[in-house]
Amino acid sequence: QVQLVESGGGVVQPGRSLRLSCAASGFTFSGCSMHWVRQAPGKGLQWVAFISYDGSNKYYADSVKGRFTISRDNSKSTLYLQMNSLRAEDTAVYYCARNPNTKFEFDYWGQGTLVTVSS
Amino acid sequence: QSALTQPASVSGSPGQSITISCTGTSSDVGGYNYVSWYQQHPGKAPKVMIYDVSNRPSGVSNRFSGSKSGNTASLTISGLQAEDEADYYCSSYTSSSTWVFGGGTKLTVL
Repeated sequence: QVQLVESGGGVVQPGRSLRLSCAASGFTFSGCSMHWVRQAPGKGLQWVAFISYDGSNKYYADSVKGRFTISRDNSKSTLYLQMNSLRAEDTAVYYCARNPNTKFEFDYWGQGTLVTVSS
Repeated sequence: QSALTQPASVSGSPGQSITISCTGTSSDVGGYNYVSWYQQHPGKAPKVMIYDVSNRPSGVSNRFSGSKSGNTASLTISGLQAEDEADYYCSSYTSSSTWVFGGGTKLTVL
């Protein structure tokens, strides 16, 4: 069965960096586009970033552009989110989510990892 | 990248039907048939309920249906059940090759 397991969250000071990982299993990872979606405490979902199945296309929300970098290692079936220059407003649960091939919905989600940006 | 507009809350009694609206622009909801809806229970990850405006994934009850008119998409839940109580989010692909979510709607089953 499809599984997405995020890791790497924690408490970090403003201005510092953190890298999240999402380990995928149960499907052909190299055939699916992937996303990061976040949810601040008590708030709604916010789309963060997209990467195509082969890593050739990447798109970002304006709020993270220039600070966050999405990447993937298809040989390890793992998705990453490098987060630099973190701000208090980046505090959220970060989910990785899958796009089924050539589709536009998020059909599987991980359980999320909490990132807290605080001094 | 403004969020899509959803009502903050809706409510209904068991057995009734409710509809949640999701309003965007011609650059997202109105421009593509790539609207999806997600159900999220407290402390859980979201679950897709509707994709491509009106399609139900395998395993999702046929009490859930979706539609779109112009820049507004809608999710209708018929025959409300206690387990339907959750937060619901719409999402759309956009002309900037990005995605956008609605602000979310809290459904209360009275």
